[in-house]
Amino acid sequence: KAGVTQTPRYLIKTRGQQVTLSCSPISGHRSVSWYQQTPGQGLQFLFEYFSETQRNKGNFPGRFSGRQFSNSRSEMNVSTLELGDSALYLCASSSGTGEREQYFGPGTRLTVT
Amino acid sequence: EDQVTQSPEALRLQEGESSSLNCSYTVSGLRGLFWYRQDPGKGPEFLFTLYSAGEEKEKERLKATLTKKESFLHITAPKPEDSATYLCAVQTGGSNYKLTFGKGTLLTVNP
Repeated sequence: KAGVTQTPRYLIKTRGQQVTLSCSPISGHRSVSWYQQTPGQGLQFLFEYFSETQRNKGNFPGRFSGRQFSNSRSEMNVSTLELGDSALYLCASSSGTGEREQYFGPGTRLTVT
Repeated sequence: EDQVTQSPEALRLQEGESSSLNCSYTVSGLRGLFWYRQDPGKGPEFLFTLYSAGEEKEKERLKATLTKKESFLHITAPKPEDSATYLCAVQTGGSNYKLTFGKGTLLTVNP
């Protein structure tokens, strides 16, 4: 079974720009969660999508948004980038019902200059 | 608010020297406690899920246990390839699939 894939793996952006990250979950999984990982804060939950609907949301500003498509692929968008948005963005895939394990992708390393 | 605290922050062992990592948590309505391993520059790799106090799970040199307040990850006779950051996370009830993570324990095993 193929794992979770994320694209791109690396990104360099300038302050004020926006960025879109993509995640393809494990085949058959309907839940996709997004996390931000920084050295200071560790792993923090951004939001979760299940069957194209946002089911849970973390404590991040509205500049962070996401969506999920009918094939369960998900995108997250960050607008008006700030230096503090530099982080590893991780996507996690889960069945969304019953089994509660989440399987992570390799992440997208975003650097804001 | 859910809280997860891992200790120690860093642990250095000699190959073959067994030890334990701790994860203490404060949540209302625990649905599951998860252990992950993370190598530098990679996403976390799933290891175990524990659902209720008294539960234990094993995988190779790793054994995870759960009480009502904490979980332990026991590492028996570690090898250098066990070097990684070990993360603990909790999940609460209902349709909430959000994971709340601890800051992790950086384990280094010297040959």
